[in-house]
Amino acid sequence: QKEVEQNSGPLSVPEGAIASLNCTYSDRGSQSFFWYRQYSGKSPELIMFIYSNGDKEDGRFTAQLNKASQYVSLLIRDSQPSDSATYLCAVYSNYQLIWGAGTKLIIKP
Amino acid sequence: GAVVSQHPSWVICKSGTSVKIECRSLDFQATTMFWYRQFPKQSLMLMATSNEGSKATYEQGVEKDKFLINHASLTLSTLTVTSAHPEDSSFYICSAQGQLYEQYFGPGTRLTVT
Repeated sequence: QKEVEQNSGPLSVPEGAIASLNCTYSDRGSQSFFWYRQYSGKSPELIMFIYSNGDKEDGRFTAQLNKASQYVSLLIRDSQPSDSATYLCAVYSNYQLIWGAGTKLIIKP
Repeated sequence: GAVVSQHPSWVICKSGTSVKIECRSLDFQATTMFWYRQFPKQSLMLMATSNEGSKATYEQGVEKDKFLINHASLTLSTLTVTSAHPEDSSFYICSAQGQLYEQYFGPGTRLTVT
């Protein structure tokens, strides 16, 4: 069974620091990788996607993909209290999107 | 990013009645849409995959006769909860698949069955 694993947290990070969120996946044939943010009581919002090994940067967010080790991570620089949310990792594998259970991130002022 | 709308955003209905939820992709055509359900403090649960012009594919354990899905056009999918019961009360969220297999989510519909 294909799986996507995330630490449920909560992960507590001081304001202004770098938040690092990690995700591992089981299917080596996975092609596309996505990070979503979900605020409490709201629907998920797509933050970033990555397909190739290495880093992809978008503003304060950096996605990192390592296919050999089968992990994808999301770095949030200069963390703000508004970044407090649950972050969902999703992996496209064999014609379906497999979801992680999410990591709850808390940014402490 | 692409915009997906849902209507209504919240609904209260009596037990035994049916409720229809609409999901629209506003600025792109979506061949594939998805319906999820999420209970408080729990993960997203995929209910079904909806493909334009064909029958929906339901996940194991989801009753297709209770949760009717119609995807009649490239911009509209509907979910009808038939004979709703209090245990159907949940947050229902649709999404539309983009060209790179990413999903864009609607704002969700909060259903309360009394």
